[in-house]
Amino acid sequence: LAKTTQPISMDSYEGQEVNITCSHNNIATNDYITWYQQFPSQGPRFIIQGYKTKVTNEVASLFIPADRKSSTLSLPRVSLSDTAVYYCLVGEYSGGGADGLTFGKGTHLIIQP
Amino acid sequence: GAVVSQHPSRVICKSGTSVKIECRSLDFQATTMFWYRQFPKKSLMLMATSNEGSKATYEQGVEKDKFLINHASLTLSTLTVTSAHPEDSSFYICSARDRVFNEQFFGPGTRLTVL
Repeated sequence: LAKTTQPISMDSYEGQEVNITCSHNNIATNDYITWYQQFPSQGPRFIIQGYKTKVTNEVASLFIPADRKSSTLSLPRVSLSDTAVYYCLVGEYSGGGADGLTFGKGTHLIIQP
Repeated sequence: GAVVSQHPSRVICKSGTSVKIECRSLDFQATTMFWYRQFPKKSLMLMATSNEGSKATYEQGVEKDKFLINHASLTLSTLTVTSAHPEDSSFYICSARDRVFNEQFFGPGTRLTVL
């Protein structure tokens, strides 16, 4: 499994766009990039998944450059409720797949008023 | 969307007792369920993979005799922490794989406190 590196923490303010970048230099050809969100004392929640270029859903956008060695999760107009830990996962699965997931340290995003 | 439940949501027990945690997929069938453990301010760590009708596969360093896993049906997996000790206090989270769409969905977690 490709190792991922994310900032340990980030701060922003309500209404701002937040971009969290994840490095995965050893990503393999069959690997997907998946982001999860976790609130305190809750299970992780799937946010978005992509393989290349750009993916957008109702919650976030995921930008993946051509070399796929990094990815950026973009949260538009964040609110206080977006304060959470965000995990970037890289692995040979689509939507989670058949294997248990390997979580890195994640990025603790703190949104202030 | 697919829903995974866990019961209980939190449990406090005395050292030496056993605790059972249930993980249920409410609106889909899950041939595979996963159990994770998360210590305070740490990331989730995969403990074991539970396959319906067969023995669980444990990750390195996880004692199978201490963490008993049973996956007797396509919608239920149980994790029993036997002879619990304070160091077993943690947040236990399960996920279930939808066998049709091959997606994993997480439960809300169970907070175990061993006194």
